[in-house]
Amino acid sequence: DGGITQSPKYLFRKEGQNVTLSCEQNLNHDAMYWYRQDPGQGLRLIYYSQIVNDFQKGDIAEGYSVSREKKESFPLTVTSAQKNPTAFYLCASSRRQGRTEAFFGQGTRLTVV
Amino acid sequence: AQSVTQPDIHITVSEGASLELRCNYSYGATPYLFWYVQSPGQGLQLLLKYFSGDTLVQGIKGFEAEFKRSQSSFNLRKPSVHWSDAAEYFCAVGASNFGNEKLTFGTGTRLTIIP
Repeated sequence: DGGITQSPKYLFRKEGQNVTLSCEQNLNHDAMYWYRQDPGQGLRLIYYSQIVNDFQKGDIAEGYSVSREKKESFPLTVTSAQKNPTAFYLCASSRRQGRTEAFFGQGTRLTVV
Repeated sequence: AQSVTQPDIHITVSEGASLELRCNYSYGATPYLFWYVQSPGQGLQLLLKYFSGDTLVQGIKGFEAEFKRSQSSFNLRKPSVHWSDAAEYFCAVGASNFGNEKLTFGTGTRLTIIP
């Protein structure tokens, strides 16, 4: 079945460490997104990518980095520069940015310990 | 830049009662509008979408929404809620042109169903 797979579902990180969240899609979608979700704040866009080897910063990109080396994959690295990384992270994809609905993965809950 | 306002943070309704969740958007051109639902600890599932045409759109699970340009609104409705509808609901707006526009979400409305 086609869909978006995020891994792991739960992730624990020590302060000062970088950590990478995986996002893979087999929907043949061009655009991919990373959102951060905190209680009461909805979804805030971290990074998005319309094509391979190209990506743009969203509203809260500081402390995060991404790559888009393959159409199917859009990993997110939470760096030690991110001051408050504990959150629920959602990856999404769509056929074309803004003109169609986005499909979401099941999310990764990151906790800093 | 586009924005979305969901004025109700939390709504409680009785099972079998009707439901309306409010959504107001801000965007200069014709918007693309969506409603998504999220169960705790899960991703988002699309309920319905509006791109153009008929302003009353039908979605999954018996939901519908009406686009009202004059009020910049896209309210979600259901005539009779079920206990399984308890979840968080998000309204979102997308751009109408190609480019680096992004999908913008509201802050969500949490729906509680009481027996």
